[in-house]
Amino acid sequence: QKEVEQNSGPLSVPEGAIASLNCTYSDRGSQSFFWYRQYSGKSPELIMSIYSNGDKEDGRFTAQLNKASQYVSLLIRDSQPSDSATYLCAVNTNAGKSTFGDGTTLTVKP
Amino acid sequence: EPEVTQTPSHQVTQMGQEVILRCVPISNHLYFYWYRQILGQKVEFLVSFYNNEISEKSEIFDDQFSVERPDGSNFTLKIRSTKLEDSAMYFCASNPSGGQYYGYTFGSGTRLTVV
Repeated sequence: QKEVEQNSGPLSVPEGAIASLNCTYSDRGSQSFFWYRQYSGKSPELIMSIYSNGDKEDGRFTAQLNKASQYVSLLIRDSQPSDSATYLCAVNTNAGKSTFGDGTTLTVKP
Repeated sequence: EPEVTQTPSHQVTQMGQEVILRCVPISNHLYFYWYRQILGQKVEFLVSFYNNEISEKSEIFDDQFSVERPDGSNFTLKIRSTKLEDSAMYFCASNPSGGQYYGYTFGSGTRLTVV
C-alpha cells in the first residue's frame, strides 16, 4: 500500500466548474497535510495546509481533512484554465519530512 | 517574497563524474531539504538538514550522496560517481522550523542529466 495515494487522473473539468482532488494516507499518526501545485517543468508551490478535521478555505481553494477515514481532499471552485497543473498531496509524519503522492493532473478546459 | 535559489538550473554530466548542486535557502529558515523527481514520477525525499548536520535521510541517500553547508548561506548536494538513473530534477526546500506544521518553500530546481 502506498503511503500517500491520489486519484490517478488525469482530471478534466470545464472552466467555472468545481474540481475535486482526493488523497488517502496510510499512517494514522500523520498530523499535517499539504497541497502543492506543480506546473509542468516547475517546482511544487504550496497552496494549502490543513491540520484539523474539517474544512479550511482560502479563496477558491478548500481543503478537507477526515483523520478517521485518513482522507484529505482539495476543492477548487470556479476553476480557471490557469489552474491546469499537477496537484500533489503531501503528508508529514516526522518532524519536517513530507511524503508526497504521485499527483493528479488537472486540466481546466475553456 | 523570499525565495530559495538553486544553481545551476541545468547540469549535464558524464556517467561517473561528480556533481555539486547548490542552494541558497531563505535566510531565516532553519531546516533544509533535498528532494528529487525523476521525470514522470513523484517527488521523493532525500535528506533533511538542521544545525549543520543530517537529521534524517532516505534509503536513496546512500554513500554516493553528501550534503554540506559550507558557509552561512549555501547548502549543497554532492553526487559522486553519477549514474544514468541519477538523472532527475533535484529540488532544494526549506522551512522555518522543521516542525510538522510547516510546508516547504521549494527552489526552482536543478535538472541533472547524466549521459
